[in-house]
Amino acid sequence: RKEVEQDPGPFNVPEGATVAFNCTYSNSASQSFFWYRQDCRKEPKLLMSVYSSGNEDGRFTAQLNRASQYISLLIRDSKLSDSATYLCVVKPGSARQLTFGSGTQLTVLP
Amino acid sequence: DTEVTQTPKHLVMGMTNKKSLKCEQHMGHRAMYWYKQKAKKPPELMFVYSYEKLSINESVPSRFSPECPNSSLLNLHLHALQPEDSALYLCASSQDAAGLSNQPQHFGDGTRLSIL
Repeated sequence: RKEVEQDPGPFNVPEGATVAFNCTYSNSASQSFFWYRQDCRKEPKLLMSVYSSGNEDGRFTAQLNRASQYISLLIRDSKLSDSATYLCVVKPGSARQLTFGSGTQLTVLP
Repeated sequence: DTEVTQTPKHLVMGMTNKKSLKCEQHMGHRAMYWYKQKAKKPPELMFVYSYEKLSINESVPSRFSPECPNSSLLNLHLHALQPEDSALYLCASSQDAAGLSNQPQHFGDGTRLSIL
């Protein structure tokens, strides 16, 4: 089983739609969780860290469910500029490095 | 607008060439990383430097040789590469000592490397 699993998509949604991505992780000792976005042929950019209490940044909401070992990202009112690959990133435990999911591709259609 | 800068942006080299990739950050971060990313795949960790010392080498072939001249700079020396080494090479940095930090990593915009 992969340490971090994501649905690769692609997700094709119309502008203005709400879309949600889930990511599961296998190591229950995982400490830190992040969502990155990566545009085609560009570097990954930090979108948001994911906190235990859940957190929101504008149209983006991240949730963590430790009991079920998954994190989610909700994007409301999708914009064309949200089209990218979204990478779920987990720090499996102390003294371990970040582990990347394989990414979920999102295309927002006009 | 990235705070981690990498040069060159693109590099084409033959299998017998020697070249170097450079990475610089001025955020005071003490951990720096090299990743390799192939198309439609996530980044794969290659090396980790913590406080200018190599702390992790993910079984990377010796044709890749990292160097950390100071806390702001990270180099990757390339020699006798193979066509399968063609990829996007990403540098990243994070605030605290690698492995102990819960801080996110910040990526440079990468060097796109093609081996002929």
